[in-house]
Amino acid sequence: GAGVSQSPSNKVTEKGKDVELRCDPISGHTALYWYRQRLGQGLEFLIYFQGNSAPDKSGLPSDRFSAERTGESVSTLTIQRTQQEDSAVYLCASSLAVYNEQFFGPGTRLTVL
Amino acid sequence: QKEVEQDPGPLSVPEGAIVSLNCTYSNSAFQYFMWYRQYSRKGPELLMYTYSSGNKEDGRFTAQVDKSSKYISLFIRDSQPSDSATYLCAMSRGNTGNQFYFGTGTSLTVIP
Repeated sequence: GAGVSQSPSNKVTEKGKDVELRCDPISGHTALYWYRQRLGQGLEFLIYFQGNSAPDKSGLPSDRFSAERTGESVSTLTIQRTQQEDSAVYLCASSLAVYNEQFFGPGTRLTVL
Repeated sequence: QKEVEQDPGPLSVPEGAIVSLNCTYSNSAFQYFMWYRQYSRKGPELLMYTYSSGNKEDGRFTAQVDKSSKYISLFIRDSQPSDSATYLCAMSRGNTGNQFYFGTGTSLTVIP
C-alpha cells in the first residue's frame, strides 16, 4: 500500500520567505510526527499529533514554526521568515497509535539561501 | 547531556563481518527501543522494535537492550554491501511521553 508521502521533495528559498511543507500519512494512522534532521545530526523532534488531541508542540524551536493537521489526514508544517539555520531535511512519520512503530516519509530537503 | 548518545562513526567493515552498533542513554524511564536504517536521501525505515530489556532476533539482525546499563546494541551478522547505510537508535518513555528520542546515527559501509 501507499506509504507516507511528502512534498515538495526539495525546496530552495530565500532568507525571510515563508515555506509550507506537506505530509500525507498512511491512511488510518492516527499519530503523525514532524522531525528535523540537520546534516550529520540525528532526528530532532518538532511536533506530534494524535487523533483529535491537542498537539505536542514542545519540540518547535521558535514561534516561526507552526503545524496543522486536518483530522487524521494531511499535515502542513509552516516556517515563517526562514533563516539559514532552518536548512535541513524535514521528515514526517505516521503510526497507527502511540508507541507503535513509525513509518517515515522521504523528507523535504529545505535550503535557505 | 544528550538523552541519547551514539558514535557517529564512520564504520567500515569487510563483507561477511559481524557489525556491532551501540547507543547509550541517560533517562531510565525509556521503555521502548528501536533501530532504524536510513539510506542516503531516504527516510528512516524501522529494523527492530523492542520493549524493555532482553534480546530480539530477526534474520541477520539482533537487538539487545540492557536497561541496567542504559545501553542498547544492534548486531548485524554476515554483513552485506546492501547493509551500507546510517543506523539510528531511538527510544521512548511510552506512557505519557509521546516523543521518540533519536541518536545521531552511525554511518556503516560494508566493503565487498
